[in-house]
This record gives sequence, C-alpha cells and structure tokens, in this order.
Amino acid sequence: GEDVEQSLFLSVREGDSSVINCTYTDSSSTYLYWYKQEPGAGLQLLTYIFSNMDMKQDQRLTVLLNKKDKHLSLRIADTQTGDSAIYFCAESSTGGYNKLIFGAGTRLAVHP
Amino acid sequence: NAGVMQNPRHLVRRRGQEARLRCSPMKGHSHVYWYRQLPEEGLKFMVYLQKENIIDESGMPKERFSAEFPKEGPSILRIQQVVRGDSAAYFCASSLQLDQPQHFGDGTRLSIL
Repeated sequence: GEDVEQSLFLSVREGDSSVINCTYTDSSSTYLYWYKQEPGAGLQLLTYIFSNMDMKQDQRLTVLLNKKDKHLSLRIADTQTGDSAIYFCAESSTGGYNKLIFGAGTRLAVHP
Repeated sequence: NAGVMQNPRHLVRRRGQEARLRCSPMKGHSHVYWYRQLPEEGLKFMVYLQKENIIDESGMPKERFSAEFPKEGPSILRIQQVVRGDSAAYFCASSLQLDQPQHFGDGTRLSIL
C-alpha cells in the first residue's frame, strides 16, 4: 500500500543547513510535496517536484528526488529560527486524481 | 485573492451533538479535499469532492460522517453524534485543476467534551 515515512525530529543551529528526508512507496506518484505547519496553523505549500525531475531549487530551498530509491529530501540553507515548524512530505496517490498521502511530519527545531 | 477559508477555527461539542465544519475553496477552485489530523500525526485523507459530486470518500468513517459541496456555498463536513475520538484538526484543501497542488485552509480544531 501507499506509505510515506519521515524522521520525527531534527535539531540544527541557526545559520546551518537543514536536511529533512522522506521515503515513499508509490512509484507512480506524479508529484511530491513539502508542506510546512507552524503551531496552530494550517499547512503552507513550500515546494513540489514533478516525478520526472531530479532536483528543484527555490531560493533557500532545494528538493532532491531519487526515484530509484523512492527518496525525497528538502534542504533549507541558512536555517533561521522562523524555520522552526513541522515539515510534511506528501505524495500524490494513484487513481487518477490528487489525493495526498502524508508522512507523520518532521519537527525542525532551530537553536541559536 | 483570499486563500482557503475554514470556519469555525475552533469548535467545542459535547458527546452526541452534531458538528458542522465549513470550507470555502480558493476562488475558481472546484476540487475540494478534506483531511483529518490527529494529535502528533500527519494528515489523513477523508474525502474528495467536486461541485455537487463526491468523487472519493474512501477515507471517511462509514457512519456518522458525511460531506457535501453544493452548487452554491461552501463545502460542509458533517459529523453526527460526535464521540471523544472525533477530536482532531480537520483541514480542507482546494485545487484549481486535478493535477495542480492543493492549498490548505487553517483548519477547524474540534474538541469533544
């Protein structure tokens, strides 16, 4: 079945790079997504990558996709305290429409 | 351009009451999705709707839960005879087209006393 897995916690120092990893199972997913959730808030779409791409860069964010290993990562350069949040990886399911399957989320803590 | 609007933000119900959660998609979006987030967990798909049609409700509990997206007005997620286990954050998302990214509302946090 479809499943998305992420490590639960990541702690980094302000100014360092953060790398959040995700593995997924559905090799036919069209898109893979990264969402950010701050406490008490909804999900903010950070970035997404089409499954035929290997990499996508958007300012401080870099997404890497290894389709062979079904591994997705999100790199945040120059991590700031405002980046502290829960980051969710999600894949679009098969079935002809865009039902999202989410991981449990990685809680990123940024300390001085 | 307003984002996805959900109301209420917080809803408290006693066991056995009904809960109605509303979602207005982004302007021009006709695809609506509902997800549930239990504490310390990721989001789980519940239902996918287009205007006046339920396309996929495979994530909905078989009893007490229903959803609609009428021709006019917001999408409604309705939970009848609520129980403590229904306490969760319920998120609505919308997309412009089938293969476009989903944009989420801020959610409704439902608490059952």
